[in-house]
Amino acid sequence: QVQLQESGPGLVRPSETLSLTCNVSNGAIKSQYWSWIRQPPGKGLEYIGYIHHNGITNYNPSLKSRVTISVDTSKNQFSLKVTSVTAADTALYYCARVGSVTTSTFFDHWGQGILVTVSS
Amino acid sequence: EIVLTQSPATLSLSPGERATLSCRASQSLSSSYLSWYQQKLGQAPRLLIYGASTRATGIPARFSGSGSGTDFTLTISSLQPEDFAVYYCQQDYLSYTFGQGTKLEIK
Repeated sequence: QVQLQESGPGLVRPSETLSLTCNVSNGAIKSQYWSWIRQPPGKGLEYIGYIHHNGITNYNPSLKSRVTISVDTSKNQFSLKVTSVTAADTALYYCARVGSVTTSTFFDHWGQGILVTVSS
Repeated sequence: EIVLTQSPATLSLSPGERATLSCRASQSLSSSYLSWYQQKLGQAPRLLIYGASTRATGIPARFSGSGSGTDFTLTISSLQPEDFAVYYCQQDYLSYTFGQGTKLEIK
């Protein structure tokens, strides 16, 4: 079954840009939607956004001004950038596949998560 | 933004008991835009239920979901030791939001 693996720096300085990549294996990235979700330490889950292989994106309105999700189908990867980070962006970042059945969509495959700390 | 409110925040039960977890939406979600996830300590969330009542692949039959409109329920018919975890509901009617979670702990 499809597997996802996040990678990127675990420490980012305040005001800089957080950049993460999700590698998708055992499944093509095409014809699916792919998402980023984060979880601050000890807290709940927050949807960041998704991308389709054709470039269609959707972002959480509360983060939209600072977030960009992109896809590289040749590498079977998609990426996340969050600009102007603060301590509030410290979280475990997950990549996930968006599954769908008729009108219902959900996150059916998840990476293990990567902890990103924002600190000087 | 649709807000999902889960109750109770913490539920203390014993193995073999029945667990009933609630998720209330700030506006109607129809009947198919609600999913449930289980998250164990140190692990990624796992999809349990989608479309309010359909079990995901490989999910045991003791897990069931119900509800429509603004009120949804996840029921675990007879708790197994491995079921003690945090449970989240999630809506996809308008973008995506998650509830704050219910921690199911051993009594």
